[in-house]
Amino acid sequence: EVQLVESGGGLVRPGGSLRLSCAASGFTFSYFSMNWVRQAPGKGLEWVSFISTSGTDLYYADSVKGRFTISRDNAKNLLYLQMNSLRAEDTAVYYCARDAVFWGQGTLVTVSS
Amino acid sequence: QSALTQPRSVSGSPGQSVTISCTGTSSDVDGYNYVSWYQQHPGKAPKVMIYDVSKRPSGVPDRFSGSKSGNTASLTISGLQAEDEADYYCCSYAGSFTWVFGGGTKVTVL
Repeated sequence: EVQLVESGGGLVRPGGSLRLSCAASGFTFSYFSMNWVRQAPGKGLEWVSFISTSGTDLYYADSVKGRFTISRDNAKNLLYLQMNSLRAEDTAVYYCARDAVFWGQGTLVTVSS
Repeated sequence: QSALTQPRSVSGSPGQSVTISCTGTSSDVDGYNYVSWYQQHPGKAPKVMIYDVSKRPSGVPDRFSGSKSGNTASLTISGLQAEDEADYYCCSYAGSFTWVFGGGTKVTVL
């Protein structure tokens, strides 16, 4: 059974940093590209970032480009999202997604002073 | 990328059919057969109902169906049930490994 479990969310002050993790199981992690998607409270879904199977191809939404970094550790079946220079508008539930079908349950990031 | 356009709300009585539209451009909906639909109940994670325009994951009732014509994709819920009341989001591949979502549609069962 495919499972994606996010962790690392929490409360952080504006300008601060946070690293999210997504533990993957139930499939050969290194064979699949991965994504992060987020949803601000009461708002719609927003694609955030993509990483290829080897980690060499990286893509970001304009709203996070230059502040967020996606990475992966295929040996540990882990996906990461390093978030720097956080802003109030980054407050959201962050989901890792293997593809259109398999998503995690999300982790909440709150950016507030 | 600009968000896909969905109606803010649709409603129907139990047993009726409702259709939610999702309008994009030649760069997303009309350019690829990778449209998916998500159902989200309050406080819950999104759940995929349709992927690749018209495919249903196992466990999703066949009351849910998807289609696409040009730059507009559609989700139809036939035989509307009380538990179908939720927010629905469409999503399309938009090239260069990016996705774009619609703003969401609230489905109300009268």
